[in-house]
Amino acid sequence: DGGITQSPKYLFRKEGQNVTLSCEQNLNHDAMYWYRQDPGQGLRLIYYSQIVNDFQKGDIAEGYSVSREKKESFPLTVTSAQKNPTAFYLCASRATEPNNSPLHFGNGTRLTVT
Amino acid sequence: GQSLEQPSEVTAVEGAIVQINCTYQTSGFYGLSWYQQHDGGAPTFLSYNALDGLEETGRFSSFLSRSDSYGYLLLQELQMKDSASYFCAVRGGGGGFKTIFGAGTRLFVKA
Repeated sequence: DGGITQSPKYLFRKEGQNVTLSCEQNLNHDAMYWYRQDPGQGLRLIYYSQIVNDFQKGDIAEGYSVSREKKESFPLTVTSAQKNPTAFYLCASRATEPNNSPLHFGNGTRLTVT
Repeated sequence: GQSLEQPSEVTAVEGAIVQINCTYQTSGFYGLSWYQQHDGGAPTFLSYNALDGLEETGRFSSFLSRSDSYGYLLLQELQMKDSASYFCAVRGGGGGFKTIFGAGTRLFVKA
């Protein structure tokens, strides 16, 4: 079955450490996204990528970095510069055709930094 | 920039109809979407409007007025399982690739 896989589901890190969240899709989608969700709040866009080897900052990119070396993969690194990294991180992908293609989400990674 | 506003909470009884409104601001507009998210889960797609008017998908309908930068999600014949958070999302900048979400409306369905 096609889908988006985020791993791990839960991740614990000490403050000051960088951590990389995995996102893999086998839907053959060109566009991929990373969102952050805090308790009781909406999804805030961190980075998005329209195509391989290209990505754009979203609204809250500070303290995060991404790469898009393969169509299937869009890993997110939460760096030590991110002041409040504890959150629920959601990866999504979307086909670029047809134009009304929706976002497909992974099941998320819950990151806790202490 | 882009921003969306929607009510934080709505409560309705089983079998009723509920409307969740969304107003948006965006520098470019490609479409307004609605997503449902149950606690702890991933958002799932419900509906998409690129043009003015009503789109109907089973018990769910979505409306868009581009001139008013306004849309709504209509849920009919409410069921307990509809208790969830509902997000409107706008595709705007970044050549239509940038998708921004509202803060979400928490729907409580009571028996």
